[in-house]
Amino acid sequence: GENVEQHPSTLSVQEGDSAVIKCTYSDSASNYFPWYKQELGKRPQLIIDIRSNVGEKKDQRIAVTLNKTAKHFSLHITETQPEDSAVYFCAASYRNNDMRFGAGTRLTVKP
Amino acid sequence: DAGVIQSPRHEVTEMGQEVTLRCKPISGHNSLFWYRQTMMRGLELLIYFNNNVPIDDSGMPEDRFSAKMPNASFSTLKIQPSEPRDSAVYFCASTQVTGNGELFFGEGSRLTVL
Repeated sequence: GENVEQHPSTLSVQEGDSAVIKCTYSDSASNYFPWYKQELGKRPQLIIDIRSNVGEKKDQRIAVTLNKTAKHFSLHITETQPEDSAVYFCAASYRNNDMRFGAGTRLTVKP
Repeated sequence: DAGVIQSPRHEVTEMGQEVTLRCKPISGHNSLFWYRQTMMRGLELLIYFNNNVPIDDSGMPEDRFSAKMPNASFSTLKIQPSEPRDSAVYFCASTQVTGNGELFFGEGSRLTVL
């Protein structure tokens, strides 16, 4: 099955700085790569996703890049704000099945 | 739609007792996932169903765990007998296999086994 690795496990940045979280996947058949944000005590919620036919996708302050050859993808958050503090999970799946998550990154944005 | 509904939200039980967690997926979704979340292991996929049929249960830790989906609107995850190491938050999530892929999570069931 798919194996997703995520780094770093914790990340601390100053408000206004950028944050980058990286993930790798093992199954070359995977074609869907979402990112979820989980606030303390809450459920994970989708913030952005990318499919294998696209190399980059942007939504306001967040962007995701995908390198299919290297089998890695990254989340970029610019102009970070305290409300961005949460745990972020990357995931990979094939045809919306068998969604596997990375171990998560705890992001802290210091005011 | 009310979203994915899980019950109970919290359960505290003693080692050896049977635990049953319940999930109602979003109406119209035909794929359902059970995840376990712990600090050490993150979000682990336990099992998932497509059209009520279990597709992959390789993540189920051991024979003490079982899951069923008798119909499109209900699933259970059972632990019998429970052990302290089963303490975790269990999430149910659903999606439409032919949709955009977004998984919708329930609020989770926090299980504590004493």
